[in-house]
Amino acid sequence: DQQVKQNSPSLSVQEGRISILNCDYTNSMFDYFLWYKKYPAEGPTFLISISSIKDKNEDGRFTVFLNKSAKHLSLHIVPSQPGDSAVYFCAAKLSIGNEKLTFGTGTRLTIIP
Amino acid sequence: DGGITQSPKYLFRKEGQNVTLSCEQNLNHDAMYWYRQDPGQGLRLIYYSQIVNDFQKGDIAEGYSVSREKKESFPLTVTSAQKNPTAFYLCASSRQRTDTQYFGPGTRLTVL
Repeated sequence: DQQVKQNSPSLSVQEGRISILNCDYTNSMFDYFLWYKKYPAEGPTFLISISSIKDKNEDGRFTVFLNKSAKHLSLHIVPSQPGDSAVYFCAAKLSIGNEKLTFGTGTRLTIIP
Repeated sequence: DGGITQSPKYLFRKEGQNVTLSCEQNLNHDAMYWYRQDPGQGLRLIYYSQIVNDFQKGDIAEGYSVSREKKESFPLTVTSAQKNPTAFYLCASSRQRTDTQYFGPGTRLTVL
């Protein structure tokens, strides 16, 4: 049972435009969410996180939005750059005090020059 | 400079053999984790350790074993009991179990 879902396996976006990556979850007890970026044959790198008490968190070109009622979060990258081409994973925790991360299946983002 | 190292990057093993994957961190992190990634799937937790000499099973611990004798090291043994060992293995650590996890570069294990 996939509790964290990324329904788009791939996404292509023109350089300079906005990239929007989506993630849905089923467990309403999740209250902390993270996005990781992964290049081939490398470990994921942490990008940005959000706790359930917020609906938006911004860090430079990256913004994460959380809609708790819809159990949906999204990552916005603007403007998109060629170096953003990678696989993006969303992950969720049951609480800030819980160490276990549940990952989605990932979305491969390709930025077209 | 600080970080998480995993060795080797690529590992080949004959069916029926045990193999140990190395994970070392010099970040002074208390907690360490092992995940595996399969094509088209997210990362799945194998084992984690919050402190030296203590570890817990994750979602897919069968066929694996770990030890945590030192804070810096968390080796993973893939035993012959693991039915589908070919995968990309990722080690992670966090300052405390509540903090963001940071990942090593991974080891790709192929069973021939």
